[in-house]
Amino acid sequence: KNEVEQSPQNLTAQEGEFITINCSYSVGISALHWLQQHPGGGIVSLFMLSSGKKKHGRLIATINIQEKHSSLHITASHPRDSAVYICAADNTDKLIFGTGTRLQVFP
Amino acid sequence: GAVVSQHPSRVICKSGTSVKIECRSLDFQATTMFWYRQFPKQSLMLMATSNEGSKATYEQGVEKDKFLINHASLTLSTLTVTSAHPEDSSFYICSARLSGYEQYFGPGTRLTVT
Repeated sequence: KNEVEQSPQNLTAQEGEFITINCSYSVGISALHWLQQHPGGGIVSLFMLSSGKKKHGRLIATINIQEKHSSLHITASHPRDSAVYICAADNTDKLIFGTGTRLQVFP
Repeated sequence: GAVVSQHPSRVICKSGTSVKIECRSLDFQATTMFWYRQFPKQSLMLMATSNEGSKATYEQGVEKDKFLINHASLTLSTLTVTSAHPEDSSFYICSARLSGYEQYFGPGTRLTVT
């Protein structure tokens, strides 16, 4: 079993839909990161969470430390949101990556 | 936000040659930089952790003599792939730790060995 599990692996949505990507981890963490990787390959850091909830534009990230679970929500999804979303557990020494969720948003 | 650059963005080299990839933190000092490798449709794999002024810490299975890492300053780390072979063709990404747990990623370097 991977230390960081994401679901779903693939996700398709119509423009405007509300999207949720889930991440569960089994290791102790100092923080949890949500990353976005576009087809070109570059990675953008979306959020770094150690507790509670963060919001940036249409993106919301939550974390429940007791349940070792985090979610990334995208409201009013848009085709430009199409990318791979990766959660990564930060155990202070290094990041442990989930396998990613490939999101495609169609117009 | 903090910016990390990588150079080159793409490189093609012949088998047996060496290739150097640079990772720079442009507007902050990074005591720790990380090097990752990513194969198509797979997640990132940590290769090594690079601390300024000291030897890099390599992950299990990564050949330190093949992937040379130098972290000469607080804003620059380099990865040299020595005697490259086609199986070294991959996407190499660096990241730099700003403070606490903030980490910023470079845009990546696509290496193709022919």
